[in-house]
Parts: sequence; structure tokens; C-alpha cells
Amino acid sequence: AQKITQTQPGMFVQEKEAVTLDCTYDTSDPSYGLFWYKQPSSGEMIFLIYQGSYDQQNATEGRYSLNFQKARKSANLVISASQLGDSAMYFCAMRERGSNYKLTFGKGTLLTVNP
Amino acid sequence: GAGVSQSPRYKVAKRGQDVALRCDPISGHVSLFWYQQALGQGPEFLTYFQNEAQLDKSGLPSDRFFAERPEGSVSTLKIQRTQQEDSAVYLCASSFQASYTGELFFGEGSRLTVL
Repeated sequence: AQKITQTQPGMFVQEKEAVTLDCTYDTSDPSYGLFWYKQPSSGEMIFLIYQGSYDQQNATEGRYSLNFQKARKSANLVISASQLGDSAMYFCAMRERGSNYKLTFGKGTLLTVNP
Repeated sequence: GAGVSQSPRYKVAKRGQDVALRCDPISGHVSLFWYQQALGQGPEFLTYFQNEAQLDKSGLPSDRFFAERPEGSVSTLKIQRTQQEDSAVYLCASSFQASYTGELFFGEGSRLTVL
């Protein structure tokens, strides 16, 4: 079974609008962390935001927020006020305490921001 | 150094050649991971080191793949008798702690093309 599922291979958004990228995860480990990374066409992997399994509040980092619904095992990324530079591949990922802390990635969502 | 450094950035090998990819993690980072990323896919876990100990090599695709981190800092991923299916970007990542809460810092990757 996939540990991280990203159901949107591609998304389009108009500049200045908000966009939500979906992520669901599967784990029986009570201790885990959820991460979102951005990978532009240049290839570097850029950390965006983190949510811990015991965190009570949703994480926010500037224009990024994570909509964490633990019971539904979802961790959607919300980007507000999209910019042209946000066009990139976005990966949802998870680290579990019981899995040697390795980061397991989803297949990614390619976001295109239109002017 | 300031970030994770990988070399070479690009490597072209003829089928059957051996290659060695180097990763220099952020100083003081305990955990080091190697990932393989095929075109258009999410990174796939290969192996994990905690200091010099290789704690997880479950993702190595065959016995042609070998990784080491002898002094707990620099790591080398070696691929023997390269095959065309080994063509991918190989990403190295490090984190300060062995924990599920910390982000992984990624290098820019080594792009391997096997002809």
C-alpha cells in the first residue's frame, strides 16, 4: 500500500489566487512527521513546511499552511496568493519513528501558476 | 560547508562501468540518506546511515549498489556494472538528529546517465 498518496498529477492556478494540493497518508505509527517539499525545474529539493503527529494546531510558514486532519489522515498544502515562482513539483512526505526516520515521498503534484 | 554537497553533478557512464557518487553532508549532521529519483517521479529511499553505521539498506535495488560512510561524515554511493535502468538523479540528504521531527536537507543531486 502507498504510504503517501497525492491524487493530483497536475494543478493550474491563476497568479494571486490560493491553491490546495492534496495529500493523504497511511501509517499505524503514532509518532510521525509530515513534510512538504518543492522541487523547481532546477532540481533542488526545498523544504516548505512541517507538521508533527502530536501537534494540535495546523502549521503555517508565510504563504504556506498545512491543513492537517489527523482522523482522515490528510495533510493538504495550501498556498495563498500564488506567484509565478511557485510553479514547480510539490512533494508530500512522511517520516515515521518506527521506520528509521526515512522520508517517504508521494509521487508529486506539478503546479503551474498562470499570469 | 553551508549545505549538502554532491559530486559529480553529472555523470555519463557506459553500460557495465562502475561509478562512485560522493555526498558531503552538513557538518555535525548525524543522519544521512541516499535517494534515487527517476524522471517525473518522487524520490525513492535507498539507504540510511546514522553516523558511520548503515542502519537501513532495504531500498538498494540490487547487490550492484553499495554505500559507505566510514568516518561518519562523507558518504559514497557506488554502483557496479551500471545498467540503463540505473539512469536517474541520486539525491543525498542529511539531518541533524535521528528523529522524525527534523527536516532533511538535500543536495542538488548527481544525475547519472547510462548509455
